Amino acid sequence: NAGVTQTPKFRILKIGQSMTLQCTQDMNHNYMYWYRQDPGMGLKLIYYSVGAGITDKGEVPNGYNVSRSTTEDFPLRLELAAPSQTSVYFCASSYARGSEAFFGQGTRLTVV
Amino acid sequence: QKEVEQNSGPLSVPEGAIASLNCTYSDRGSQSFFWYRQYSGKSPELIMFIYSNGDKEDGRFTAQLNKASQYVSLLIRDSQPSDSATYLCAVLGSGTYKYIFGTGTRLKVLA
Repeated sequence: NAGVTQTPKFRILKIGQSMTLQCTQDMNHNYMYWYRQDPGMGLKLIYYSVGAGITDKGEVPNGYNVSRSTTEDFPLRLELAAPSQTSVYFCASSYARGSEAFFGQGTRLTVV
Repeated sequence: QKEVEQNSGPLSVPEGAIASLNCTYSDRGSQSFFWYRQYSGKSPELIMFIYSNGDKEDGRFTAQLNKASQYVSLLIRDSQPSDSATYLCAVLGSGTYKYIFGTGTRLKVLA
């Protein structure tokens, strides 16, 4: 089973560029999340979705956008990349509210 | 701002000892509590979850929850060098779908 798959694993962006971080899960989970993790820090929630067509902001949504057109996919869009967005990004999914969240392997993003 | 707080460590324990990791949370209505382990450069993986007051045991791991004190802990018995990692506490708050994470406690098990 693939679980939660993120692409790419690594990326270097120049300031002002845009990109989409891909996340897909094959567990038929309704709930999906995007977190960022800065060095030595915990996970900060960027956006989350409780089902196809439904998204909402987390703690640190500025500079990001999401969409959820299917149950499986939850891409994260970075517009006008800034050095402050240098981080490791994790996508996660869970079956129901209060159940375990499964994480993808992460995307290490550097903005220079 | 609903918060989850952990001591960043590092917490160093000798091999075979009990490691005790602690977490406090600010949202009194929180309902679900999770402990994740994260090795350096890897993604978090679930160790334990607990929903009710008291203790829950799974192998060498015991999670303890005290909702009145807003406190959750993780005990690791017979600690092994392979347990060396960062342990993240996560809380699902009341009336929300958001898992809020602490900054994590770095555990070092010395051989």
